Amino acid sequence: GENVEQHPSTLSVQEGDSAVIKCTYSDSASNYFPWYKQELGKGPQLIIDIRSNVGEKKDQRIAVTLNKTAKHFSLHITETQPEDSAVYFCGGGTASKLTFGTGTRLQVTL
Amino acid sequence: EADIYQTPRYLVIGTGKKITLECSQTMGHDKMYWYQQDPGMELHLIHYSYGVNSTEKGDLSSESTVSRIRTEHFPLTLESARPSHTSQYLCASSGLLGGGVLYQETQYFGPGTRLLVL
Repeated sequence: GENVEQHPSTLSVQEGDSAVIKCTYSDSASNYFPWYKQELGKGPQLIIDIRSNVGEKKDQRIAVTLNKTAKHFSLHITETQPEDSAVYFCGGGTASKLTFGTGTRLQVTL
Repeated sequence: EADIYQTPRYLVIGTGKKITLECSQTMGHDKMYWYQQDPGMELHLIHYSYGVNSTEKGDLSSESTVSRIRTEHFPLTLESARPSHTSQYLCASSGLLGGGVLYQETQYFGPGTRLLVL
């Protein structure tokens, strides 16, 4: 089955700096890679996703890149704000069968 | 914004009680899922359903059971709750998003139920 690894487990950045979270996957058949943001007391919220037919996708301050050859994908958040503080999860597989990373706790400090 | 709901949001219950966690979605999604989220925040799939009258066990063994009698409803039941069942339970559904000639499947989560068994 699919195995997804996520790093780092915690990340602290200053407001305005960029944050990068990386994930690797093992199954070359995986074609869907979503990123979720989970705030305290809430369920994970989809913030961006990428499918294997593209290498990069951007939505305002958030971007995701995918390297199928190396089997890794990354979340980039630019101009971080305090409200970006949360736990971020990557997922890999298909939309019907996702394996999640272990999460990254992002803290944006003033 | 995903239209997927879970009740109750928080539940404190004694050992041995039977409980049912409710999950419903109004998006018409065929596929629904239950995840258990441990204190370390890892997500573990415990049950899934690809349609009415279809249920399967997930990757993590669970003493809970599920049913799927209606497309929009996917309840999870614990016949006899134990302290080891204390956790956050997240329901999700997936379906097609988009229009025109391009439909893409995406998975959405509910707000979760935080269960504490004393």
